[in-house]
Amino acid sequence: EPEVTQTPSHQVTQMGQEVILRCVPISNHLYFYWYRQILGQKVEFLVSFYNNEISEKSEIFDDQFSVERPDGSNFTLKIRSTKLEDSAMYFCASSEGRTSGLDTQYFGPGTRLTVL
Amino acid sequence: SQKIEQNSEALNIQEGKTATLTCNYTNYSPAYLQWYRQDPGRGPVFLLLIRENEKEKRKERLKVTFDTTLKQSLFHITASQPADSATYLCALGTGANNLFFGTGTRLTVIP
Repeated sequence: EPEVTQTPSHQVTQMGQEVILRCVPISNHLYFYWYRQILGQKVEFLVSFYNNEISEKSEIFDDQFSVERPDGSNFTLKIRSTKLEDSAMYFCASSEGRTSGLDTQYFGPGTRLTVL
Repeated sequence: SQKIEQNSEALNIQEGKTATLTCNYTNYSPAYLQWYRQDPGRGPVFLLLIRENEKEKRKERLKVTFDTTLKQSLFHITASQPADSATYLCALGTGANNLFFGTGTRLTVIP
């Protein structure tokens, strides 16, 4: 069964450093998403991406964040200058995009980001 | 303010019983509601989707109801098994493509 994959599984970085989290969505999916989950808290939407541009973004997704689909398979989240409060599990998800708003989103296993 | 509350942070039940989890929301107008399962250190796994004009949906031992008047969804697992132990998340969709998640209920099924 196709699945969303994410690398690395765990990333440790120093405050102020740039990090890039990578995702390979399911191959025929058209919508891609990033969510984050701070330890013990709820899953929070960051951004959705469709047709090579951001479709929606939350208040969390400020100028420190960017997303890119550099090739036909990868979808990346970049955090330009990490802060301690960016420490969280970051989940990538993808969906078919056939019926807007009624898509099933398939989540990857997550990347645990630790900012020291 | 907008809230999605899952009433029990943790729920323990005996194997074979029916588990009922609750999701209440405030100041949302969801077009649909989804339930996900999340195991420790893993991503959410989709279980069921119910639309605003549907009252009930079933899939094997799972049943979900959606009452837009009460602003509530109930999620039932019948004949529960220890393998059903996990955190269950409700998520609202408002017609756009992002989901708003509740904090989850950690279910433990005791053999």
